[in-house]
Amino acid sequence: EVQLVESGGGLVQPGRSLRLSCTASGFNFGDYVMSWFRQAPGKGLEWVGFIRSKSYGGTTEYAATVKGRFTVSRDDSKSIAYLQINSLKIEDTAVYYCTRILAVTAKYFDYWGQGTLVTVSS
Amino acid sequence: DIVMTQSPDSLAVSLGERATINCKSSQSVLYTSKNKNYLAWYQQKPGQPPKLLIYWASTRESGVPDRFSGSESGTDFTLTITDLQAEDVAVYFCQQYYSTPWTFGQGTKVEIK
Repeated sequence: EVQLVESGGGLVQPGRSLRLSCTASGFNFGDYVMSWFRQAPGKGLEWVGFIRSKSYGGTTEYAATVKGRFTVSRDDSKSIAYLQINSLKIEDTAVYYCTRILAVTAKYFDYWGQGTLVTVSS
Repeated sequence: DIVMTQSPDSLAVSLGERATINCKSSQSVLYTSKNKNYLAWYQQKPGQPPKLLIYWASTRESGVPDRFSGSESGTDFTLTITDLQAEDVAVYFCQQYYSTPWTFGQGTKVEIK
């Protein structure tokens, strides 16, 4: 059974850093692009960034709103994708979701984790 | 950025009736080499993550009831829910994954009349 489990969220002060984890199971993690999205309370969905699989270079892309502060990385040996968030802002308050993409079949976002809530407040 | 515009923002439909949600992209999301529109529909219930219903604009995800269907015409896309059930109460989003930044419609809230 495919599972994606996010963790690492919590209450953080503005300006601090946080690292979120997305632990995957039930599929060959190394074959997939892993992406992060977020959803502010009562708002819509926003793409944050993704990391390609090693076979596609393991490169990353980010939304303009977070570029320079957010970093997506992966550890294929542990089947974990990470989202490092630096210089947290109030507007980063959201539920953060991870999801997957299988590039060779162009199958996008078929599984999502339950999300982890990040609250930025002083 | 590709702007996705959904309509209506909300609608109330009687049980067993049809719900129709529209989504328009500000530019083409057709991946010409595959001849597929990179457009997805999601259902989201309170406190839950989005659930993929439809991808490539009209392909139903495995396990999704066949009362959910997607259609496409150029840059106009439609999600239709026939025979609306109580469990279909949710917010529905369209999303383009043709080019980054991947963008979503603002969502349509479906309720029971």
